Amino acid sequence: NAGVTQTPKFQVLKTGQSMTLQCAQDMNHEYMSWYRQDPGMGLRLIHYSVGAGITDQGEVPNGYNVSRSTTEDFPLRLLSAAPSQTSVYFCASSPDWTDTQYFGPGTRLTVL
Amino acid sequence: QQPVQSPQAVILREGEDAVINCSSSKALYSVHWYRQKHGEAPVFLMILLKGGEQKGHEKISASFNEKKQQSSLYLTASQLSYSGTYFCGTDNGSRLTFGEGTQLTVNP
Repeated sequence: NAGVTQTPKFQVLKTGQSMTLQCAQDMNHEYMSWYRQDPGMGLRLIHYSVGAGITDQGEVPNGYNVSRSTTEDFPLRLLSAAPSQTSVYFCASSPDWTDTQYFGPGTRLTVL
Repeated sequence: QQPVQSPQAVILREGEDAVINCSSSKALYSVHWYRQKHGEAPVFLMILLKGGEQKGHEKISASFNEKKQQSSLYLTASQLSYSGTYFCGTDNGSRLTFGEGTQLTVNP
């Protein structure tokens, strides 16, 4: 099993550009989530999904969209990138939110 | 809302003990603990469930006070490999929310 994969590993955007961060898992997990990590602020939940077709907002959803058309994939879309979105983004999956979370390797995003 | 962790940082010598605390203002169903090494993804350590059941690490223990909505992680006889940032995650019944982290440094 590949576990949780994220692409790209690094990305530099200009303010106003849009992009999609990819996340995929091959463990047939229902629960998937996106976190951003900034120095001194820990892991903050952006969006999460309890299964295909079901998504919900976390603590910091503004500026981000998600969809979950399959169990395996949970992409995160930045609609119009801003410097405040410079961060490390982690995707995680698990059978459900009460169980062990498996994190992907992360995407380091810089918005200029 | 994020749970609150304390201390924010702690420095130990190898073999010393440490306690990391986590508290929430909301009722909790479970508490999770993860450790992150620099430049890596967080890795699962332990889950504490209501009723006292624990799932996780052999050499690290933790407690969960459901009434006080608090959890503590106990690191005994610390090893160099324990260095990293520790996060608690709180389950409020629908999602998992992580704290700001506690940076632990173990020196020789």
